[in-house]
Amino acid sequence: EVQLVESGGDLVQPGGSLRLSCAASGFTFSTYWMTWVRQAPGKGLEWVANIKQDGSEKYSVDSVKGRFTISRDNAKNSLYLQMNSLRAEDTAVYYCVRSSGMDVWGQGTTVTVSS
Amino acid sequence: QSALTQPASVSGSPGQSITISCTGTSSDVGSYSLVSWYQHHPGKAPKLVIYDGIKRPSGVSSRFSGSKSGNTASLTISGLQAEDEADYYCCSYAGNSARVFGTGTKVTVL
Repeated sequence: EVQLVESGGDLVQPGGSLRLSCAASGFTFSTYWMTWVRQAPGKGLEWVANIKQDGSEKYSVDSVKGRFTISRDNAKNSLYLQMNSLRAEDTAVYYCVRSSGMDVWGQGTTVTVSS
Repeated sequence: QSALTQPASVSGSPGQSITISCTGTSSDVGSYSLVSWYQHHPGKAPKLVIYDGIKRPSGVSSRFSGSKSGNTASLTISGLQAEDEADYYCCSYAGNSARVFGTGTKVTVL
C-alpha cells in the first residue's frame, strides 16, 4: 500500500525551530518529486515547497524562503522540512505529498506556533 | 503568487450537477494544462479527483469531470451525492516548479 506518514509536529514558541519528517512506503520514493502543503486553521491549502528526485532542485513559496528548508534521504525513504524562525502564521497542518499530480497525501502533522 | 479564485460555496440537490470555477491568470491556469482538483473532507487527507485539467485518477467516479477555458478551470460534479459534500480545491502549475492552490469551495448537498 502506498503510504506517507508525517511526524514531528508540535507546539513551539515564535522564533523557534522544528523539523518535520515524512516516511514513505509502498512506492519507489527516489523516483518522485515530493512536496509539502499546509493548511492553517480555517484557511485553504497552501503549497509550501517541493524537491526533485535527487534533491538537486528545491522550490518554495515566498513566505517561507530563507526560513524553511526541504530535504530528503532516499536511502531512508524520507522527506523532511526544517522550519526555523517560526511565526504565528506558520501554524497549520502540514501534509507530505507525492508530487506526480500530488496524487498521494499523508494524514498531516500539526504545527502550532504560540507563546 | 496569489491564490486562484474559487466561489466560497456551491450547493445542489441530490442528482443535480454543479460546477466549481477556478480563476487564475495567464501566468498559471492560462499557460498550462496542469490544473488538478482535490476533494477534502475535514480531518482527512485531501484526495485527487482530477489532474492535468481533465484526467481522472483510477478509482475516481466518472461523475467528476474537468475543463478549462482561458484563465478559468472548472470542476463539474454530476449526479450529486451526499458523499460529495466536502471542500474542493483547484491547484495549478505556476512556473519554476511552483504550484498555487485555489481559495477553496465548500460544496453542500441540500
